[in-house]
Amino acid sequence: GAVVSQHPSRVICKSGTSVKIECRSLDFQATTMFWYRQFPKQSLMLMATSNEGSKATYEQGVEKDKFLINHASLTLSTLTVTSAHPEDSSFYICSARDLAIANTGELFFGEGSRLTVL
Amino acid sequence: GQQLNQSPQSMFIQEGEDVSMNCTSSSIFNTWLWYKQEPGEGPVLLIALYKAGELTSNGRLTAQFGITRKDSFLNISASIPSDVGIYFCAGQRHSNSGYALNFGKGTSLLVTP
Repeated sequence: GAVVSQHPSRVICKSGTSVKIECRSLDFQATTMFWYRQFPKQSLMLMATSNEGSKATYEQGVEKDKFLINHASLTLSTLTVTSAHPEDSSFYICSARDLAIANTGELFFGEGSRLTVL
Repeated sequence: GQQLNQSPQSMFIQEGEDVSMNCTSSSIFNTWLWYKQEPGEGPVLLIALYKAGELTSNGRLTAQFGITRKDSFLNISASIPSDVGIYFCAGQRHSNSGYALNFGKGTSLLVTP
C-alpha cells in the first residue's frame, strides 16, 4: 500500500510555543490530506481536510487560527499547533488519498505524532 | 462528524478462537473500511468494502458491507497473538469536504497464547 510519513513522531514542548507536524505521501500524490486527533483510548476525530493549493476545511469546534494547516504541494501537508497548551497534548494522525485511485475510499495513514505540552 | 456504533468495546480471547465485531450507523455510507491500530502507530487498512452486500476476505479476515449500507462486520478466524490491537470501522460518504472518514470507537482485542 501507499506510504504516508509523519514527522516528528514525538514532540515535547513548553506551553505557549508552536509546534509544526509534517505529513508526506512518499510514493504517491495526494490532493487531499486529512488531519485527525486521537486522545488516549479514544477514536480518531477528524480535525480538518487539507486541499492542495487551497484553504483547509475545518470541522466544527476546531479553531482554524490555532491549528494552522498548509498543503503547499501534492506530497506535503503541515499542521502547526500555535500557542500550544497542555490540553492540546494528543496523538495527531494524518491521512492521504492516492490521486491515482481517488475514486476509491481508501485512505492511508501516517504513523502519528505524539504531542506533549508541558 | 458522525460516530459509528462499534461493538464489542473489547474482547479477551484465547489463541485459535474466532472473533467477530460489527459497526452500525443511522446513516448510509458509500464505503466501509476496517483498520487495525497498534499502540503508538497510525491505523493500517485491512479491508475496504464498496458495494452493499459485498463480502471480502483478506487472509484470516472477512468483512461484509451490510445490504442496507448502514452496517458492517469483521470476522477474524483462528486468532493468533499478533492479532492484538484496536480495530476500527470507518464509514465514508461523499460530502463537501471530500471523502472524510467517520470512525467507530474501536474494538480492543487481546489474544492469549
